Amino acid sequence: DQQVKQNSPSLSVQEGRISILNCDYTNSMFDYFLWYKKYPAEGPTFLISISSIKDKNEDGRFTVFLNKSAKHLSLHIVPSQPGDSAVYFCAVNAGNMLTFGGGTRLMVKP
Amino acid sequence: EAGVTQFPSHSVIEKGQTVTLRCDPISGHDNLYWYRRVMGKEIKFLLHFVKESKQDESGMPNNRFLAERTGGTYSTLKVQPAELEDSGVYFCASSQNRNPLYGYTFGSGTRLTVV
Repeated sequence: DQQVKQNSPSLSVQEGRISILNCDYTNSMFDYFLWYKKYPAEGPTFLISISSIKDKNEDGRFTVFLNKSAKHLSLHIVPSQPGDSAVYFCAVNAGNMLTFGGGTRLMVKP
Repeated sequence: EAGVTQFPSHSVIEKGQTVTLRCDPISGHDNLYWYRRVMGKEIKFLLHFVKESKQDESGMPNNRFLAERTGGTYSTLKVQPAELEDSGVYFCASSQNRNPLYGYTFGSGTRLTVV
């Protein structure tokens, strides 16, 4: 009964191309969505967020898109860089508690 | 500013023993959270302190887990007695801002292995 799902455990992309990471959620009442990046042996690092009143939020190379009707959000990284190689987690913030997806390992090849 | 510090970084203990994990949040952060990631699965919420008070402990798996935050500064998470399924990475996070769009700062985690 996972409320937040990342169906792709891994993704490989060439440097300079676009990386698209996807996330689905089950509860249409969720209002706040976040993306975290995690390097090995480190804690997750906050990347970007979006509220349900918006459908797009952009910060430099990172853009998060929210499709409320499909209960789907995605993170676009363009252009992708080798340093972006990490595990990416989407999360929803409900009641000041984060519920995470299982993560997608992104590998950006030089 | 110093980040969220967790100690120890690794701990290997035998089933039935006791382990205490420590978290030092960023100075001035009233909100402190514990999460854990078991077997490479999703990161799951354990509990949330506001200063020294437990705001939400709905994620604590059972009464073998005890979290404290005396004085509203650092926090400890004790597992007693430890079981094999408690193995995983325990993350602590802190925040000052209650804005739900403002991400927390996580520590590097404590990797707990119960053998």
